[in-house]
Amino acid sequence: SAVISQKPSRDICQRGTSLTIQCQVDSQVTMMFWYRQQPGQSLTLIATANQGSEATYESGFVIDKFPISRPNLTFSTLTVSNMSPEDSSIYLCSVEGRTGGSHRTYEQYFGPGTRLTVT
Amino acid sequence: AQKVTQAQTEISVVEKEDVTLDCVYETRDTTYYLFWYKQPPSGELVFLIRRNSFDEQNEISGRYSWNFQKSTSSFNFTITASQVVDSAVYFCALTQWMDSNYQLIWGAGTKLIIKP
Repeated sequence: SAVISQKPSRDICQRGTSLTIQCQVDSQVTMMFWYRQQPGQSLTLIATANQGSEATYESGFVIDKFPISRPNLTFSTLTVSNMSPEDSSIYLCSVEGRTGGSHRTYEQYFGPGTRLTVT
Repeated sequence: AQKVTQAQTEISVVEKEDVTLDCVYETRDTTYYLFWYKQPPSGELVFLIRRNSFDEQNEISGRYSWNFQKSTSSFNFTITASQVVDSAVYFCALTQWMDSNYQLIWGAGTKLIIKP
C-alpha cells in the first residue's frame, strides 16, 4: 500500500477565503481521488484526478469551487474556494494501490484527512 | 445504479462477543469488486479486504472473516471475540465503472461499539 500525507491536517478559515490542501504519495500512482466526509457521514467523492488530464468532477461539485491540480504522479492539490460554513468537513485524498506490476487492484488507500472548519 | 446498503447504523456489544456487520449491494455489472474499510476514532480510513465478483470463497484473517454470497448480494463481515480496539465505523464499498475509470460506491457505515 502507498503512504499518503496531507497538509494541513486541520485548519480554521474565515468565510470567503480559500484553502489549498496538498496530498503527497510516496510512490507514483495514476489515479487519485478527493473525497469529502461530513461528521458522522459516509464518504462523498468530489473528483477523480488522473495525471495529465483534467479532473473529473462528480455531480454537485464544480471546478470553480474545487479546483484540482495534478502536476505529477505523486502529488495533487484540492482548493476549496470562497468558503462558507457548509464547506466545513473532512477532506480526504486517496490513491489506487497496485501490485508490483501494472495489475490493478481497485483498492483505495487514504491519507489522514484535512479537517476544515469555516467560521 | 449501484448501491450499497449497511442497514445497521450502530451496533453495541460487550467485549469477546462475536458480531456481524451486514452489507447488501446492488449492481448490474458482472465484474465488480467489494471492499471493507475501518475508520477508527482517529479518523484514518484503513483498507481491510477486497473481494472480486468471481471469487466467492470466504476469507478469514485472524479474528476477521468475510462471507460473500452472490445469490443474496451480500458481503458480510464478522468479528470473532471482539475487542475494544475493534470499535470503529466500518464501511462497505462497491466498484462502479465509469467509462475507462471507476469510482467506489460507499455504504452509510456501521458504527461498532465494543464495551469492556
